Amino acid sequence: NAGVTQTPKFQVLKTGQSMTLQCAQDMNHEYMSWYRQDPGMGLRLIHYSVGAGITDQGEVPNGYNVSRSTTEDFPLRLLSAAPSQTSVYFCASGTDITEAFFGQGTRLTVV
Amino acid sequence: RKEVEQDPGPFNVPEGATVAFNCTYSNSASQSFFWYRQDCRKEPKLLMSVYSSGNEDGRFTAQLNRASQYISLLIRDSKLSDSATYLCVLNTGTASKLTFGTGTRLQVTL
Repeated sequence: NAGVTQTPKFQVLKTGQSMTLQCAQDMNHEYMSWYRQDPGMGLRLIHYSVGAGITDQGEVPNGYNVSRSTTEDFPLRLLSAAPSQTSVYFCASGTDITEAFFGQGTRLTVV
Repeated sequence: RKEVEQDPGPFNVPEGATVAFNCTYSNSASQSFFWYRQDCRKEPKLLMSVYSSGNEDGRFTAQLNRASQYISLLIRDSKLSDSATYLCVLNTGTASKLTFGTGTRLQVTL
């Protein structure tokens, strides 16, 4: 039972590079979201989706794009990486307001 | 003011102790409340939901006071394995849009 799978687990980027963080869930959840976690800041919502084809911005969307072409996948794209995007990124999915299931996280360093 | 405020700790307690964490929130429209647990360098995992009537799960008791916009978590008979960061979480919409506190770190020692 895979749950929520994120790849890669670790990544180092140079400033200005672009990349896509992958997130896939096999629980047929409608709701998916991306958070970033920084020391002293807690988890902050980047983008979220309430179903295939529907996405919206969260608290800190600048510099990130998302799409939701299937129920299972919700990739997060960094358009032009900046050192301020160094963080741990978590993808989550859920069916309603009761619980969110998180992936294991992607540790991203931008140099 | 932050939407969710928690004492960052750390709370250092001996095994067997009872420890309580508090959390305050500012958005009175918040619908659902949770405590998540996060181990070092791991993902958050749901510990328990929090209901107005209070709820208990083994050694863990959660309380919600909507009038005071206050949530609490009580851990009885602390175990070494309880060492983690406890996140106060709420949402005003769907499972896509959770608001997290910065967490309270608990260290249980021998």
